[in-house]
Amino acid sequence: GENVEQHPSTLSVQEGDSAVIKCTYSDSASNYFPWYKQELGKRPQLIIDIRSNVGEKKDQRIAVTLNKTAKHFSLHITETQPEDSAVYFCAASRSGGYQKVTFGTGTKLQVIP
Amino acid sequence: EAQVTQNPRYLITVTGKKLTVTCSQNMNHEYMSWYRQDPGLGLRQIYYSMNVEATDKGDVPEGYKVSRKEKRNFPLILESPSPNQTSLYFCASSLRTSRGDTQYFGPGTRLTVL
Repeated sequence: GENVEQHPSTLSVQEGDSAVIKCTYSDSASNYFPWYKQELGKRPQLIIDIRSNVGEKKDQRIAVTLNKTAKHFSLHITETQPEDSAVYFCAASRSGGYQKVTFGTGTKLQVIP
Repeated sequence: EAQVTQNPRYLITVTGKKLTVTCSQNMNHEYMSWYRQDPGLGLRQIYYSMNVEATDKGDVPEGYKVSRKEKRNFPLILESPSPNQTSLYFCASSLRTSRGDTQYFGPGTRLTVL
């Protein structure tokens, strides 16, 4: 089955700096890669996703890149703000997320004002 | 308001006492799923359903049952709960569209099995 590894498990950055979280996956048939943000005591919420036919996707201060050959994808947050502090999860699945979804173990991001 | 609801939100029970956690969505989503969240392990999928009467195992299905008799409901059943099923449970649903498959999560159910 699919295995998703996520690094680092914790990340501290100064406000205004960039943050990068990396994930690798094992199933070459995976074609949908979402990222979720979970604030303390809240439910996970999708922040960005990418499909395997695209190499990069941006949405304001966040971007995701995908390297299918190396089977890894990354989340980039620029100009970090204190409200970006949360746990971030990557995930991978086949068939555009309509089948089994495997999550990474999460990265706790702390943005220091 | 479009939402996914779960009940109960908190539950303390004892080993072996059957329980059901309900999940309902009002967005006409085909896909629904159950996850458990444990510290250091992230979210692990228990079961998922592609549509009514179509369910399949996720990564950690042991000790759980599900059913999908109606599109809006996807209950999670623990026939004989054990302490290792103490966890935070999330239900989620999504609609497959050309723009993506955003999963909307419920508020979570914190289960403690003594």
